[in-house]
Order: sequence, then C-alpha cells, then structure tokens
Amino acid sequence: QKEVEQDPGPLSVPEGAIVSLNCTYSNSAFQYFMWYRQYSRKGPELLMYTYSSGNKEDGRFTAQVDKSSKYISLFIRDSQPSDSATYLCAMTHSGGSNYKLTFGKGTLLTVNP
Amino acid sequence: GAGVSQSPSNKVTEKGKDVELRCDPISGHTALYWYRQSLGQGLEFLIYFQGNSAPDKSGLPSDRFSAERTGGSVSTLTIQRTQQEDSAVYLCASSPGTSGADTQYFGPGTRLTVL
Repeated sequence: QKEVEQDPGPLSVPEGAIVSLNCTYSNSAFQYFMWYRQYSRKGPELLMYTYSSGNKEDGRFTAQVDKSSKYISLFIRDSQPSDSATYLCAMTHSGGSNYKLTFGKGTLLTVNP
Repeated sequence: GAGVSQSPSNKVTEKGKDVELRCDPISGHTALYWYRQSLGQGLEFLIYFQGNSAPDKSGLPSDRFSAERTGGSVSTLTIQRTQQEDSAVYLCASSPGTSGADTQYFGPGTRLTVL
C-alpha cells in the first residue's frame, strides 16, 4: 500500500459544479497537508496548505483535513474552465526530514463550459 | 519576481548517453529539491540541497544519478548512461527554508525522453 492514495480520475464536470477531490494516507506522522495544482506542461503550484484538522477556506477553495480518518479533501465551488488541471495532494511529517514531500498521483480535472 | 527556471525544457537522447539538467532557483532560497514525475508514479523526491551540500540523496534511484549545486544557487542533475526507464519529467523546486511549513516553489520541469 502506498503512503498516499489519490484517485487519478479523470473527473469531468460542468462549469459551476462543486468539485470534491480526495486523498487518503496511511502514515499517522503526517502533519502538514498541501494541495498543488498543475497545468499541462507546467510545474505544480501551491493552492492550499494546512496543518490542523478541520476546514480552511480561500476564495472558492476549501481544504479539509480529518486526521482521525487519515483523509483530506479539496472542494472547489463554482468551478471554472480555468480550474481544469491536475490536482496533487502532498503531505509531510514534523520531523527532521520534513522537507521531503510525499505526493499522491494526482487527479485530472476537466471543467466543461 | 522571477520564479524557478529549468533548462532545457525538453531533452531527447539516445540510450546510453549522459544528460545534464539545469535548475535556477528563486534568488535567496537556500533549499533546493529535485523530483521526478513519471506516468503512473506521481512525483518522487530525488535529492535535497541546503546551500551547496546535499544532506539527503536518498531518492536518487541509482548511482547513474548525481547532482551538484554551486554558489548556493544553480544546480545540475546529471544522469549517466541513460536508460529508457529514466524517461520522465524532472522537476526542481526551491524554498526559503527547510521546514515542512515552507512552501516549495516548482519550476516548469525538463521533459526527458530516452529512445
């Protein structure tokens, strides 16, 4: 079992839909959780970062962490065609080598106009 | 300001040749990372630099892979005697520090194809 599991999709939704992206993890030492967005042939860019259980909101994006279930989610409200990209979850622990991010494989999202 | 830049953007090489991939981090960032992104495998950590030293090379897949960083800035990832399984996108990232709380900023990557 990989440390981080993420459904690769692809996921196709109509413009304006609410999108839910999810990752599960097995390492209870993970303390920092991130969502990156990667457009085709570009590098990943950080969207959301959180280190505690609960919800964190930024505009149309909400990151949710449930450490008891080892489950994280990213919600996108009022999705736009410009949101079409691959979304990668990433996480790390609080120990000495916490620079080493562990990524999910990414979910390819298409938002259709 | 300028982000992380990588060159070349694409590299096609023949099996058995050596290749060098270059990364220019964000100015002032002390930490630099190399990752590999291949189909079906996701992003995998290769190596981490703090300044010019590489305290963590644990992700390098074989001794054909090496990396160096000079002047606390530019880094070069070298792959010797390339194999077809080395085909992937090689991503470089930099961050101001090395805490898990520090954002890693990624470059656009070098797409390596080994024929």
